[in-house]
Amino acid sequence: GQQLNQSPQSMFIQEGEDVSMNCTSSSIFNTWLWYKQEPGEGPVLLIALYKAGELTSNGRLTAQFGITRKDSFLNISASIPSDVGIYFCAFRDDKIIFGKGTRLHILP
Amino acid sequence: DAGVTQSPTHLIKTRGQQVTLRCSPKSGHDTVSWYQQALGQGPQFIFQYYEEEERQRGNFPDRFSGHQFPNYSSELNVNALLLGDSALYLCASSFERGQGNTIYFGEGSWLTVV
Repeated sequence: GQQLNQSPQSMFIQEGEDVSMNCTSSSIFNTWLWYKQEPGEGPVLLIALYKAGELTSNGRLTAQFGITRKDSFLNISASIPSDVGIYFCAFRDDKIIFGKGTRLHILP
Repeated sequence: DAGVTQSPTHLIKTRGQQVTLRCSPKSGHDTVSWYQQALGQGPQFIFQYYEEEERQRGNFPDRFSGHQFPNYSSELNVNALLLGDSALYLCASSFERGQGNTIYFGEGSWLTVV
């Protein structure tokens, strides 16, 4: 089946640093979704991308839909403690197919 | 406006037992999906209900079954529980004809099988 490969698996950064994570697939997708899951919560949609090359921002978050339609990245600028959580890339095919996630830890 | 609500939040069951998890979709939503999230993994699609019928199913055995009621709420049933069924079970809802058709997730039900 279709698989999403996320990297890195986890990140430990200092508050204030910028963060970059990405997602690749062997299949071509028509949408890319980025979700965040905090402890004890369900995933929350951060950004949705619908067109190859599309670059979309949501506050300090920026995501891009790769030109090849097989990859996407998510950047977080000037990280703050509440950015801690698991970030999932996903695509939608009626159901949602999730990657394994990137776990973001922020060091005091 | 309540979002997606799930119950119970946590439960412990013994191998071989049966469990029922419940979900109330976000107000105005008519489509409910269930996902299983094992520790350290992303959520995996179990099945989706629309108009009280199972519309789509993921790669899960028949031990996993569900139901959708006329008020759009839903139940997930798992029979003959195995240790490997221990996971967070997430319910998600959406409106079939909604613009953008955004999917919202509940906080999940933590199931531990011992």
